[in-house]
Amino acid sequence: QVQLVESGGGVVQPGRSLRLSCVGSGFTFSRHAMHWVRQAPGKGLEWVAVISYDGSVRYNADSVKGRFTISRDNSKNTLYLQMDSLRPEDTAMYYCTRDQFLGHSSGRSDCWGRGTLVTVSS
Amino acid sequence: DIQLTQSPSFLSASVGDRVTITCRASQGISNYLGWYQQKPGKAPKLLIYAASTLQSGVPSRFSGSGSGTEFTLTISSLQPADFATYYCQRLNNYPATFGGGTKVEIK
Repeated sequence: QVQLVESGGGVVQPGRSLRLSCVGSGFTFSRHAMHWVRQAPGKGLEWVAVISYDGSVRYNADSVKGRFTISRDNSKNTLYLQMDSLRPEDTAMYYCTRDQFLGHSSGRSDCWGRGTLVTVSS
Repeated sequence: DIQLTQSPSFLSASVGDRVTITCRASQGISNYLGWYQQKPGKAPKLLIYAASTLQSGVPSRFSGSGSGTEFTLTISSLQPADFATYYCQRLNNYPATFGGGTKVEIK
């Protein structure tokens, strides 16, 4: 079955970096755009970034622009989120999601991982 | 950027009630809107996309409507499994903003 498994979360000091990974299985990873969505403790959902199926197109939320970079390695069925210059307000559960639409991105996430928790604190 | 405002933010209802949640966009977004359900400690689940298209496997008591700036999610007869938080999301353009959420609790 379709599965997304995130890893790489943890506790990190403000200003430091962290890289999240998400491995997809049970579907043709290279045919789907992929997203990162985060959720601060007790708060709502925040869309973070998207990358097209082939990695050629990427968009970020303004809140992470210039600090976070989304990338993918289709040979490894893996999505990444490089997070630099981390701030306390980046503390959240980070979800990897699959875009339902084949090829281009639609924005709709039909499959979600369980998430990986990032805590930014000194 | 386009903002999505959900109302109410909290809703108390009984099993069998008809429930309606509203999502208003700060600018017109055609029918590019989705709805998600999230239960505590779980990842969200896609319910509806294109404002009114039911995702495969979602019960027919869920329905969506609207276009432009005003959208609604309706649960025709609330079931115990439906007590959760619901989010709208702008689709097809970026940033793919979410609304603030509506928590549906048992009355």
